[in-house]
Amino acid sequence: GAVVSQHPSWVICKSGTSVKIECRSLDFQATTMFWYRQFPKQSLMLMATSNEGSKATYEQGVEKDKFLINHASLTLSTLTVTSAHPEDSSFYICSAILILAGLNNEQFFGPGTRLTVL
Amino acid sequence: DAKTTQPTSMDCAEGRAANLPCNHSTISGNEYVYWYRQIHSQGPQYIIHGLKNNETNEMASLIITEDRKSSTLILPHATLRDTAVYYCIVRPNTGNQFYFGTGTSLTVIP
Repeated sequence: GAVVSQHPSWVICKSGTSVKIECRSLDFQATTMFWYRQFPKQSLMLMATSNEGSKATYEQGVEKDKFLINHASLTLSTLTVTSAHPEDSSFYICSAILILAGLNNEQFFGPGTRLTVL
Repeated sequence: DAKTTQPTSMDCAEGRAANLPCNHSTISGNEYVYWYRQIHSQGPQYIIHGLKNNETNEMASLIITEDRKSSTLILPHATLRDTAVYYCIVRPNTGNQFYFGTGTSLTVIP
């Protein structure tokens, strides 16, 4: 099956700093990637949809200036948490799909990145 | 928003079949039902998906009612490694976004 990786797997940073998380599709070209956030004992919450070469589409209530998404190539999307604060501490997960006409498109998920803001 | 409701938790004896129900009464005609599971602190893992017909693969079976308002995921012989949170997701017609509901926390008991 298709593999999606994330880097780093965990990161600890000081309040006020910015953190970049990478999401890569290793063996396929992903036309669309998604970013999710998951707080402890809660479900995944979709943050944004990222299409290669275009601006990301953010879900309602997600601050686009705080969570910067760049999808510069068909195998890489990045999420930058700017001016991170303790309330941004969470598990960030990406997923990727290859959209093929006429096929039902499965999402392949990365292993997640644990962000802790001190 | 998630279009599914699932029981919060379930237990299953090891070796027995685990039957996980999901209600999706507002599902539209060509919206697919997906099942994923998430083991603690990992990314979700794909299990199976279907539209109208029942589906089976090496991991599980998916039974969708004729009116498509509910479905059941069946793990035929549950093992301890099947302990996870199981999510039933209806993929909307207008895009490929997944909106996760609360899922069912399945505990397989020795």
